[in-house]
Amino acid sequence: GPKVLQIPSHQIIDMGQMVTLNCDPVSNHLYFYWYKQILGQQMEFLVNFYNGKVMEKSKLFKDQFSVERPDGSYFTLKIQPTALEDSAVYFCASSSGTHAETLYFGSGTRLTVL
Amino acid sequence: QQKVQQSPESLSVPEGGMASLNCTSSDRNFQYFWWYRQHSGEGPKALMSIFSDGDKKEGRFTAHLNKASLHVSLHIRDSQPSDSALYFCAASDTSNTNKVVFGTGTRLQVLP
Repeated sequence: GPKVLQIPSHQIIDMGQMVTLNCDPVSNHLYFYWYKQILGQQMEFLVNFYNGKVMEKSKLFKDQFSVERPDGSYFTLKIQPTALEDSAVYFCASSSGTHAETLYFGSGTRLTVL
Repeated sequence: QQKVQQSPESLSVPEGGMASLNCTSSDRNFQYFWWYRQHSGEGPKALMSIFSDGDKKEGRFTAHLNKASLHVSLHIRDSQPSDSALYFCAASDTSNTNKVVFGTGTRLQVLP
């Protein structure tokens, strides 16, 4: 099936540093998402992105967070500066269209902030 | 305030048994529903979608939607140990933001 690739699979950084999580979405998909999951529990919506713009973001998407997809390359989530509570697994997803389209997820990036 | 609640939080069934998972939304704008399954160390993977009232069957999996009561269920017959995973209900509304909200999750364990 369609594959979403996330790089790296694990990242350990010190609090206050910047981190960039990378996502290579399914090639013909147009909508991109980031979700946050703590301790294998609920998938929390962070943000979605279409046509170079953020469509909607949640309260979890703090001012320190940003997303972009320059020139059709990786869809990235940047956190600057990081905080201890940012430790989680971050999942990228993509879909081909609006509303009734299934999301395809990557395997996640486990972020540990020390 | 969680818009998509799932029950039970965890569930154990014997191999070959029936597993029933429930999902209730508090937002009447949700019109599109999915069930996703997440195995340990992986991302969620869609099992099936359901957009109309009634039943939808795919193999051993049957989803049921009742939009009036904002209730979605998933029934897994002849459960297998490989079905042991975290199951999420997900919902989307008809707004133009394409946001997909996931439920609180049900952890299913199928005992050999």
